[in-house]
Amino acid sequence: AQKVTQAQTEISVVEKEDVTLDCVYETRDTTYYLFWYKQPPSGELVFLIRRNSFDEQNEISGRYSWNFQKSTSSFNFTITASQVVDSAVYFCALSEVHQAGTALIFGKGTTLSVSS
Amino acid sequence: DGGITQSPKYLFRKEGQNVTLSCEQNLNHDAMYWYRQDPGQGLRLIYYSQIVNDFQKGDIAEGYSVSREKKESFPLTVTSAQKNPTAFYLCASSISGQDYGYTFGSGTRLTVV
Repeated sequence: AQKVTQAQTEISVVEKEDVTLDCVYETRDTTYYLFWYKQPPSGELVFLIRRNSFDEQNEISGRYSWNFQKSTSSFNFTITASQVVDSAVYFCALSEVHQAGTALIFGKGTTLSVSS
Repeated sequence: DGGITQSPKYLFRKEGQNVTLSCEQNLNHDAMYWYRQDPGQGLRLIYYSQIVNDFQKGDIAEGYSVSREKKESFPLTVTSAQKNPTAFYLCASSISGQDYGYTFGSGTRLTVV
């Protein structure tokens, strides 16, 4: 079965530290998509990035970067020079193909706390 | 502005009552989803719908029901058969297809009193 594992339940850092959130996935599909979402205290999930299984290029967006390694089934997320506003729950997700369509399955999330 | 609206934001239910959570989107998305979030459990799929008048059970559909009579609307009913309904419920929508991310609503927090 498809599965997403975020082994880090909670991480606490001090502002300006770099932090990496781990994500490991399991799938039998050859074509799939991986996502990261951010959930601030307000509760609404915010889309951060999408990556398809054929694109192993790392991506950088400002202070955010993502490292996709198919060989280890990992899709890790790094925040450089963390800020207090980065405090949130971060979810990794994997697309799952059903007979009647597709849906995302989520990891249990990593709660990041950044203190000043 | 396009988006997803969930209402109410907070909902209190007495044991044995059915309650309905509203989810409306004006993004012209075909697919809609309901997830349940419990502390430390991540998001678990309750129901999803790819087109009007059709929906599928997710991983934890027992005790819930949905309808999809309009493209814009996907209400979720939490029935009295749901043994532990207290949770945060999130609705999402997307363009149909594996490669599209979801747009989420701001959620409804349901508490059984």
